[in-house]
Amino acid sequence: GAGVSQSPSNKVTEKGKDVELRCDPISGHTALYWYRQRLGQGLEFLIYFQGNSAPDKSGLPSDRFSAERTGESVSTLTIQRTQQEDSAVYLCASSFTGGGPNEQFFGPGTRLTVL
Amino acid sequence: GQNIDQPTEMTATEGAIVQINCTYQTSGFNGLFWYQQHAGEAPTFLSYNVLDGLEEKGRFSSFLSRSKGYSYLLLKELQMKDSASYLCAVRSNTNAGKSTFGDGTTLTVKP
Repeated sequence: GAGVSQSPSNKVTEKGKDVELRCDPISGHTALYWYRQRLGQGLEFLIYFQGNSAPDKSGLPSDRFSAERTGESVSTLTIQRTQQEDSAVYLCASSFTGGGPNEQFFGPGTRLTVL
Repeated sequence: GQNIDQPTEMTATEGAIVQINCTYQTSGFNGLFWYQQHAGEAPTFLSYNVLDGLEEKGRFSSFLSRSKGYSYLLLKELQMKDSASYLCAVRSNTNAGKSTFGDGTTLTVKP
């Protein structure tokens, strides 16, 4: 498959533990987004990577959240010292840049549950 | 920055037509997107407008007025499977082309 993949699909962790979520974007997509979506709510922007530009981290809710991207490939979102309020689905999306719509393609998400 | 407004919820009847509005304010406009998200699934792309006017794609159409900062998504011949959340997103021509989503409109189609 050539879509965006995310792992793990589900993660249950205890409060205070660190978690790492992975996103594999579509090959050739230079833009990559991370979003958080709580049950019944909209998409909450977390971070945006675009090529070699400095990432837009303006959506990260606290310094417990960080993300990295290796070139134009894999990205990892790390949450340190997880809290129950971090429970949500974490969605990754990638898009091409250049002419045309360049819509975002979303991965299936990682459902994080913090006990 | 960007500010995007959509109604929270709408209800319509199977076979009818429904219009979902989106208004936005942005420091630099470079396209507006509509996405559909079924419960428990990831959003999927529906339509894209960058010039004023109507874009038609089967039962779905999307309209844009850049001067008014306004778009709507029109769904015709509603089907039960159209029950979903509809997300409006605006792309900026600054900040490396970042897109920002509204909170979405939850549409319920009733028989």
